[in-house]
Amino acid sequence: AQSVTQLDSQVPVFEEAPVELRCNYSSSVSVYLFWYVQYPNQGLQLLLKYLSGSTLVKGINGFEAEFNKSQTSFHLRKPSVHISDTAEYFCAADFGSRLTFGEGTQLTVNP
Amino acid sequence: EAGVAQSPRYKIIEKRQSVAFWCNPISGHATLYWYQQILGQGPKLLIQFQNNGVVDDSQLPKDRFSAERLKGVDSTLKIQPAKLEDSAVYLCASRTVRNTIYFGEGSWLTVV
Repeated sequence: AQSVTQLDSQVPVFEEAPVELRCNYSSSVSVYLFWYVQYPNQGLQLLLKYLSGSTLVKGINGFEAEFNKSQTSFHLRKPSVHISDTAEYFCAADFGSRLTFGEGTQLTVNP
Repeated sequence: EAGVAQSPRYKIIEKRQSVAFWCNPISGHATLYWYQQILGQGPKLLIQFQNNGVVDDSQLPKDRFSAERLKGVDSTLKIQPAKLEDSAVYLCASRTVRNTIYFGEGSWLTVV
């Protein structure tokens, strides 16, 4: 079955520390991969996407993610986080026009 | 470029009442989605339109939910009658030709 798994439901970090939010997917076909961020009481904002080409993709707000086909992963990273990065992050996979989401990772950046 | 527009942003209704949400996708986007996001969970697809035709409504509770997309542009999602478990954010999204999906701000429903 096609699915997306976010391995951590909550990730607390200190300001200016690096962070990695983990995402794995399950699929027998090629997929498009996305990371979205959701701030309180707001909709989903696209952070970055992998459609094809370079496996390292850069997005907004200093985030980047690496597509690893052999490990079926698409982990999100940022070298130095800010308080304003506190939000819910969703990994999503497009299994041929249906976008399937993981359950989300709450990133909390503490001073 | 204008984003995906949704209204109303917030709605509180009593159980067994009805509610309707409206979505205007980004201009030119043929594919439109409605997702339901329950608090603490990831969004789940309710229905997908390609122009004004339904592509996937396998997860739409058809006994109480309905959606239409007349003329292949705006879309309306209706719930009748509402249940307590329908309390959620209803997200509308549209898809570019380059396979990127953009979301609106969501319509927040509370059923009491």
